[in-house]
Amino acid sequence: DIQMTQSPSSLSASVGDRVTITCRASQSISSYLNWYQQKPGKAPKLLIYAASSLQSGVPSRFSGSGSGTDFTLTISSLQPEDFATYYCQQSYSTPVFGPGTKVDIK
Amino acid sequence: EVQLVESGGGLVQPGRSLRLSCAASGFTFDDYAMHWVRQAPGKGLEWVSGISWNSGSIGYADSVKGRFTISRDNAKNSLYLQMNSLRAEDTALYYCAKAVSLEYSTPFDPWGQGTLVTVSS
Repeated sequence: DIQMTQSPSSLSASVGDRVTITCRASQSISSYLNWYQQKPGKAPKLLIYAASSLQSGVPSRFSGSGSGTDFTLTISSLQPEDFATYYCQQSYSTPVFGPGTKVDIK
Repeated sequence: EVQLVESGGGLVQPGRSLRLSCAASGFTFDDYAMHWVRQAPGKGLEWVSGISWNSGSIGYADSVKGRFTISRDNAKNSLYLQMNSLRAEDTALYYCAKAVSLEYSTPFDPWGQGTLVTVSS
């Protein structure tokens, strides 16, 4: 089975900061990598699919990149509503989520 | 507007069974695969099971294989999860999620609000 890791597991940032989260697959998954945002008490929301495609309605400050085994989610200028937990997920084979990265206020 | 409404959760003793349902509306249900994803209290997301549009492809996480059964009724726009031999470690919020295509190995969007399953004596 393909395993997913994320780093860091948590980070503290300020409004306006550029934030980068990394996701790594245990084997190549081409571009079959998706990113979700989850706020406390809410269901996850799809942000990025196919590694770099922005889901409709998602602000352009979110971007994704990578292919093969290494991927990144970047928030270009962190906004108050972006404080949340972010999960990567591979859809190359049986779906697997990464462990998550919690972004909180510095 | 796409809506997914889960039901059927509750408190159940170890070893017993429970059946979750997900009522879908706002889209052509039989054009999409569907999934169950769970989240234990304070933990991350765990994919549980997925089913393609016509039930031709079905998958399960190793942690539930042989105990859980996913099914769908396209005439009723409904997704189900039959959970047998429940264990304490199955305690979680169970989300229903729509795939973005016919096949189940695709992104999930959107998700329901979840139904809580608590396995305890």
